[in-house]
Amino acid sequence: GQNIDQPTEMTATEGAIVQINCTYQTSGFNGLFWYQQHAGEAPTFLSYNVLDGLEEKGRFSSFLSRSKGYSYLLLKELQMKDSASYLCAVRAQDGNKLVFGAGTILRVKS
Amino acid sequence: DTEVTQTPKHLVMGMTNKKSLKCEQHMGHRAMYWYKQKAKKPPELMFVYSYEKLSINESVPSRFSPECPNSSLLNLHLHALQPEDSALYLCASSQEYRAGGVYEQFFGPGTRLTVL
Repeated sequence: GQNIDQPTEMTATEGAIVQINCTYQTSGFNGLFWYQQHAGEAPTFLSYNVLDGLEEKGRFSSFLSRSKGYSYLLLKELQMKDSASYLCAVRAQDGNKLVFGAGTILRVKS
Repeated sequence: DTEVTQTPKHLVMGMTNKKSLKCEQHMGHRAMYWYKQKAKKPPELMFVYSYEKLSINESVPSRFSPECPNSSLLNLHLHALQPEDSALYLCASSQEYRAGGVYEQFFGPGTRLTVL
């Protein structure tokens, strides 16, 4: 079966750093995606990891450890507009089918 | 143009109605997807089309009928739906479906469907 776990909600302060964790147990692994979804809007792509290590993209970084079935999304210099749901999605097999975690609702307060 | 568009934005229908959701992309993508998303839940894959052929049907009830008239368009025909089918229906596209590359999925804004 496929199981992807993320915390349900997190709260952080504007200007701070927050780390959103994702653990997965899937029948295969062919890459992990992070998406951001504002309420009532479409998910938008943030990052992709397929090899172990850190991928940095401006204020956002994503880390992967395949042996631990673990990833995190790191958001620096938080802004109010970062308040959204963050979805971890695993591509578990050949083909581009994604299995999504339930998402982490991040609230940024001033 | 890096946009996936969906119409309508909102749809209210009765259980005996027939309606269709439409999705369009002009990025030259050859894979298109339908997802269903309930409130505070992740998107759940329903169908995948690759090169205009149905590649994946995630055991979706036959009251949902997908159609891919050409490489830019994807429809979802709805008939005899149930109130529990009320959800946000998201369309997505990616360059390809096959393995071997990073094929980011671009999502449309969704159609908010309410079945009475």
